[in-house]
Amino acid sequence: GENVEQHPSTLSVQEGDSAVIKCTYSDSASNYFPWYKQELGKGPQLIIDIRSNVGEKKDQRIAVTLNKTAKHFSLHITETQPEDSAVYFCAASDDYKLSFGAGTTVTVRA
Amino acid sequence: KAGVTQTPRYLIKTRGQQVTLSCSPISGHRSVSWYQQTPGQGLQFLFEYFSETQRNKGNFPGRFSGRQFSNSRSEMNVSTLELGDSALYLCASIPGTATYNEQFFGPGTRLTVL
Repeated sequence: GENVEQHPSTLSVQEGDSAVIKCTYSDSASNYFPWYKQELGKGPQLIIDIRSNVGEKKDQRIAVTLNKTAKHFSLHITETQPEDSAVYFCAASDDYKLSFGAGTTVTVRA
Repeated sequence: KAGVTQTPRYLIKTRGQQVTLSCSPISGHRSVSWYQQTPGQGLQFLFEYFSETQRNKGNFPGRFSGRQFSNSRSEMNVSTLELGDSALYLCASIPGTATYNEQFFGPGTRLTVL
């Protein structure tokens, strides 16, 4: 089955700085890679996703990159704000089953 | 557009009991997935339903079961509860109209087994 590793487990950044979270996957059949943000007491919220036929995707301050050869993908958040503080999960899938990374707790310091 | 609804939001049960959780997907969405979230194991896939049929199943014991109704609403059932079943159970709503779809999660049901 798919195995997704996510690093780092915790990340503390100064407001305005950038945050980068990296994930690797094991199954070359995976072709859909979403990122979720989970705030305390809430379910995961889809913030951006990328498919295997695309190398990079950007949405305002958030961008994702995918390297299929190396089997890794990354989330980049620029100009971080206090409301970016949350737990972020990467996931990989080749069907409707999402395999999640362990999560990264991001803290944005004011 | 209303989001994913899960009921109840919180539940306390004792070992050996059984529990049923409910999920109403986003209107028009035809597929529902269930996940278990725990601090130790993270987010793990339970099963996925499309048009009342289970299409995918994760590595959970047979005590975990589910079903989907004709209106796309889904329920999951856990029988003979164990302490380790304490978790946040998340339902994800999927459009189901293309091969690979975004999954939109509900707020979850927090189950505590005593």
